Parts: sequence; C-alpha cells; structure tokens
Amino acid sequence: AQKITQTQPGMFVQEKEAVTLDCTYDTSDPSYGLFWYKQPSSGEMIFLIYQGSYDQQNATEGRYSLNFQKARKSANLVISASQLGDSAMYFCAMREGTSYDKVIFGPGTSLSVIP
Amino acid sequence: KAGVTQTPRYLIKTRGQQVTLSCSPISGHRSVSWYQQTPGQGLQFLFEYFSETQRNKGNFPGRFSGRQFSNSRSEMNVSTLELGDSALYLCAIRTVGAGGRETQYFGPGTRLLVL
Repeated sequence: AQKITQTQPGMFVQEKEAVTLDCTYDTSDPSYGLFWYKQPSSGEMIFLIYQGSYDQQNATEGRYSLNFQKARKSANLVISASQLGDSAMYFCAMREGTSYDKVIFGPGTSLSVIP
Repeated sequence: KAGVTQTPRYLIKTRGQQVTLSCSPISGHRSVSWYQQTPGQGLQFLFEYFSETQRNKGNFPGRFSGRQFSNSRSEMNVSTLELGDSALYLCAIRTVGAGGRETQYFGPGTRLLVL
C-alpha cells in the first residue's frame, strides 16, 4: 500500500505567488516524522522542513511552512512568494518511529515557477 | 552544517559487472542510509547501517549489499549489474536537533549508468 501520496504530478505557479503542494500519508505508528525535500535538476536532495507527529504547531522554515492536519493525515507544503529558483521536484517523505532512519518517499511533484 | 560526501559522482558500467560506491558522513556520525532513485520507481530505501551493523533493509535482491567501517564510511556493492540498476544512488544521514527536530542530509549522489 502506498504510504505517501502526492496527487499533483506537476504544478505551475506565477512568480511571487504562494503555492501549496499536497501530501497525504498512511501509518499506524503514533510516532513519526514528516519531511519535505527539494530536488533541482542537478539531482541534489535538499532538506526543506520537518514536522514531528507530536508537534503542536505547524513547522516553518523561512518561506516554507508545513500545514499539518494530523486527523486527516495530511502534510501539505506551502511555499510563499515563489521564486524562479523554486522550480524543482518536491518530495514528501515519512519516517516511522519504529523504522530507525528509514524514510519512505512519495512520488514527487514537479513545480514550475513562471516569470 | 552536516555533510555527506559520495564517490564517484558518475560511473558507467556494462551488464554483468559489479560496482562499489562510497559514502562518507561527517566525522562522528554513526548511521548511514542508502537510497536508489529511478524514473520508474522513484526513491527507494536500500539499507541502513549503524555502528557497522545493518539494522534495516529495503526490498532489493541480494545483488545489492553494503557495509560500514569503523570510521563510519559506508560502501554499497551491486554485483552482476543489470540495465535496470541504472540510477542515482544517494547516501543520507539523519540528525536530531533541539526539540527533536530531525533533518536528513543527503550526499550529492552517484549516477550509475549500466550499458
């Protein structure tokens, strides 16, 4: 069964606009962590943001924020004020508490920022 | 900032050959994870090592193996290469900061092409 779902294969956003990338996850482990990564065409995986399952507040890192809705098992990434350099693949991922360092990735969303 | 180095960056092999990839986490970091990224299967977890012991393994055939040395450097080996092994191989380390904030840092990857 797919543990991480990203339903938007590709998205376009106008420069300086905000964009939301969707992610839903499935786990029965009460302790887990959720990650978002950016992968430009160079192939480098860049960590963006982390949300723990017990965190009460939504995580924020600069222009990135994570809209965590635990009951809905949703962890959407919000990028504010999009920049041309934000064009890349974005991956949602999860680490279950019982899995040590193993992280499960979603299929990714390709984001293109239009000038 | 944590760092992970991987060598070589690019590799071309032919079917039936074997290959060894190397990953070096920052000094003192005891765990290393490996991932395979292909266009068809996405990012998949290969295995994880902690203090020279494999403590987690993904769903890959026995041709894929790894090890970790006492200085935390890790190698992965693929024997009897197949065309489908062409992929980006990524190595990662997980860190836990203040308040349990997790980060997973990836190396630049090794791009393997099997002809």
